[in-house]
Amino acid sequence: QKEVEQNSGPLSVPEGAIASLNCTYSDRGSQSFFWYRQYSGKSPELIMFIYSNGDKEDGRFTAQLNKASQYVSLLIRDSQPSDSATYLCAVNNYGQNFVFGPGTRLSVLP
Amino acid sequence: ETGVTQTPRHLVMGMTNKKSLKCEQHLGHNAMYWYKQSAKKPLELMFVYSLEERVENNSVPSRFSPECPNSSHLFLHLHTLQPEDSALYLCASSQDILAGDEFGTQYFGPGTRLLVL
Repeated sequence: QKEVEQNSGPLSVPEGAIASLNCTYSDRGSQSFFWYRQYSGKSPELIMFIYSNGDKEDGRFTAQLNKASQYVSLLIRDSQPSDSATYLCAVNNYGQNFVFGPGTRLSVLP
Repeated sequence: ETGVTQTPRHLVMGMTNKKSLKCEQHLGHNAMYWYKQSAKKPLELMFVYSLEERVENNSVPSRFSPECPNSSHLFLHLHTLQPEDSALYLCASSQDILAGDEFGTQYFGPGTRLLVL
């Protein structure tokens, strides 16, 4: 059973702080990793994807991947109330084997 | 239209009705997906179509019947549903990862909010 795990939260951070979201996966053959943001009642939207060990930065977002430890994280710098949403981690092992985690609910407090 | 579109956006149906959900992607992708998202549950993959052939069916009840007439269109036919089938139904598309484009990133439509009475 291929699994992707995330803390359900809610994770609460003050405005301007760094939010750290974590995800672990069980399939060592996983090749690519995705972070989606989902606002309540809306569909998921892609934030970032990463496939090499290390960090990948895009604006206020940084994805970190450690394949040896089988975890991927998302850091959000200078968190804003508009970042409050559920963040979904997804893992892909070539083809259509695309598995989503349960999501972490983030709340950024003004 | 751009991206992935879904119609209708909202649907209320009785348990004896027959209805269909439609999804269309304008991204040139060759794989399409149906997901179910119930309240406080993770996304559940229902069906995958790659190059218009179904490649995975996660033991979804037969009251859900998918149809993929071409690589741009995907339908989900519904009949004799149960109240527990009420959920957000999401369509997504991607380029087959073997084509090497963005490692299979999935792009989602806005979803159909379904209520079964």
